[in-house]
Amino acid sequence: KAGVTQTPRYLIKTRGQQVTLSCSPISGHRSVSWYQQTPGQGLQFLFEYFSETQRNKGNFPGRFSGRQFSNSRSEMNVSTLELGDSALYLCASDTGGAGEQYFGPGTRLTVT
Amino acid sequence: GQQVMQIPQYQHVQEGEDFTTYCNSSTTLSNIQWYKQRPGGHPVFLIQLVKSGEVKKQKRLTFQFGEAKKNSSLHITATQTTDVGTYFCTANQAGTALIFGKGTTLSVSS
Repeated sequence: KAGVTQTPRYLIKTRGQQVTLSCSPISGHRSVSWYQQTPGQGLQFLFEYFSETQRNKGNFPGRFSGRQFSNSRSEMNVSTLELGDSALYLCASDTGGAGEQYFGPGTRLTVT
Repeated sequence: GQQVMQIPQYQHVQEGEDFTTYCNSSTTLSNIQWYKQRPGGHPVFLIQLVKSGEVKKQKRLTFQFGEAKKNSSLHITATQTTDVGTYFCTANQAGTALIFGKGTTLSVSS
């Protein structure tokens, strides 16, 4: 099976802009979770989508949003970018139960 | 929500020494998972523990789940430079989010 893929892998944006990141889960996986990873805060949970519905949400401002399509692919959007949004954004997929998650390689976002 | 805490945050060892990281929760966990993230990489699933007192081994790695299902440990015997990375423990239940702690970063000098 192909692994989780994320596009783009690297991105440089300017403050105030918006960005959309994409995640394609492993075939058959219906759950996609998004995380933000920074050196200071570690891995922070953003949200989880299961069967096109947001099932869980972390403690991030409304500038961070996401969606999931019928083929389980997911996108996350960050509007009005701030310098502090610079991070590695990881998505992970699983079957939707309480099992292991499979992570993608991440998108490295730099906001200048 | 449930949260797991890990200690230590950083650990440096000489190659060949043993290493242990501990994961603690204030609430009873339904299961615990361990992940490893190499520098520049992404988290990779290592193992899941479900039963009280469970012990699982993967070569030089030994994972334990406490009797009360509130703590867990990962022990590496005779570390190698390939063991370098950050080890995360986490827990979830079906339908809830997987919340990661800050992990233990292991460095190994040869």
